[in-house]
Amino acid sequence: ETGVTQTPRHLVMGMTNKKSLKCEQHLGHNAMYWYKQSAKKPLELMFVYNFKEQTENNSVPSRFSPECPNSSHLFLHLHTLQPEDSALYLCASSQGEGKVTEAFFGQGTRLTVV
Amino acid sequence: AQKITQTQPGMFVQEKEAVTLDCTYDTSDQSYGLFWYKQPSSGEMIFLIYQGSYDEQNATEGRYSLNFQKARKSANLVISASQLGDSAMYFCAMREGEFAGSGYSTLTFGKGTMLLVSP
Repeated sequence: ETGVTQTPRHLVMGMTNKKSLKCEQHLGHNAMYWYKQSAKKPLELMFVYNFKEQTENNSVPSRFSPECPNSSHLFLHLHTLQPEDSALYLCASSQGEGKVTEAFFGQGTRLTVV
Repeated sequence: AQKITQTQPGMFVQEKEAVTLDCTYDTSDQSYGLFWYKQPSSGEMIFLIYQGSYDEQNATEGRYSLNFQKARKSANLVISASQLGDSAMYFCAMREGEFAGSGYSTLTFGKGTMLLVSP
């Protein structure tokens, strides 16, 4: 069982809908990330939160809005998405401080925008 | 320019044989870390192995070993004695700056290699 849990696993939404993706980690990590995985493209980093503060936003459109209420939870709020936003959205967490450690990933949310 | 290059879109191997998945990287940093992840059809990215740029020995984790050739900027993954459960996508990734002084580490991923293990 993974230490990083994402819900829902699958989501189909219309372009005018508003939905949220949830990520939860029980690993005691300080940093959490959202990645987007589109078909035939490398994973793209979207957002980074470190100690609940957003530290990176990789030119992500404003229709994606992250929220990190505490170090264990991370949300991605979605509104007025486009069909090209259909992808696997992966959440990850890592220790953060000190020597680089691996990031632990959730199983992802498969998003389809219709 | 791509920072992580995986030139093999797909690889086939028979069960119990060894297989090498290629990865080359591009960085001007002296300090960096290299990772391999496995992604089965379920979607989760599973960490396999890590190599730091200053590590003198090649990393090993069970059946996984990393053939690190710093001068060539390559970090190939070797899977020994392949198993049917090894069939998955494999991603090479890099973190520039081995020490996460900033408190977090962002990874740059390659496009991945699909490995299929046949009986």
